[in-house]
Amino acid sequence: GEDVEQSLFLSVREGDSSVINCTYTDSSSTYLYWYKQEPGAGLQLLTYIFSNMDMKQDQRLTVLLNKKDKHLSLRIADTQTGDSAIYFCAEGAWAGSYQLTFGKGTKLSVIP
Amino acid sequence: NAGVTQTPKFRVLKTGQSMTLLCAQDMNHEYMYWYRQDPGMGLRLIHYSVGEGTTAKGEVPDGYNVSRLKKQNFLLGLESAAPSQTSVYFCASSTGRGPGELFFGEGSRLTVL
Repeated sequence: GEDVEQSLFLSVREGDSSVINCTYTDSSSTYLYWYKQEPGAGLQLLTYIFSNMDMKQDQRLTVLLNKKDKHLSLRIADTQTGDSAIYFCAEGAWAGSYQLTFGKGTKLSVIP
Repeated sequence: NAGVTQTPKFRVLKTGQSMTLLCAQDMNHEYMYWYRQDPGMGLRLIHYSVGEGTTAKGEVPDGYNVSRLKKQNFLLGLESAAPSQTSVYFCASSTGRGPGELFFGEGSRLTVL
């Protein structure tokens, strides 16, 4: 079945760039997503990329997609303490109905 | 803007008790989902629904039942709670069409003693 893998922890200093990586297995993915979960809250969509794109930039966020290697990354420029959260990678594909498969989440800690 | 609302937000049960979690969405979404989140396990799909009157099993459906009698509501039931069902439960909804963004509730923390 589908699998989405990401490292569990990342620690960066305030002002540095953060890069969170993710690999996935389903080559029929339509969209790939990054969700953010702040403490005590539900997940919120941060950004997404269509599977036929290589890159998407949105202010401080850059998403890179290497479809050949099934590798997705999220770069956060000028990381702030407010970026401390858990970041989930997810892939979406049709399997009778549209389904998302989530990774286990990467906990980003920003050191002041 | 309410979005997705879950009730209750916290609940403590004894082993063998039953309970129902209620999810309500006001976005007229077709798809609704129940996930559980456990440390180191990420999000796991319990059951989902692609429209009023429909339900389907997800990755970890055992011990849970669901119903979608009205489009805006999705109920998750535990008939006989077990300590292994201690978790944070999230409801989500989506249009079911691309890009398929999921809108999540704030979560319900359930402890089974």
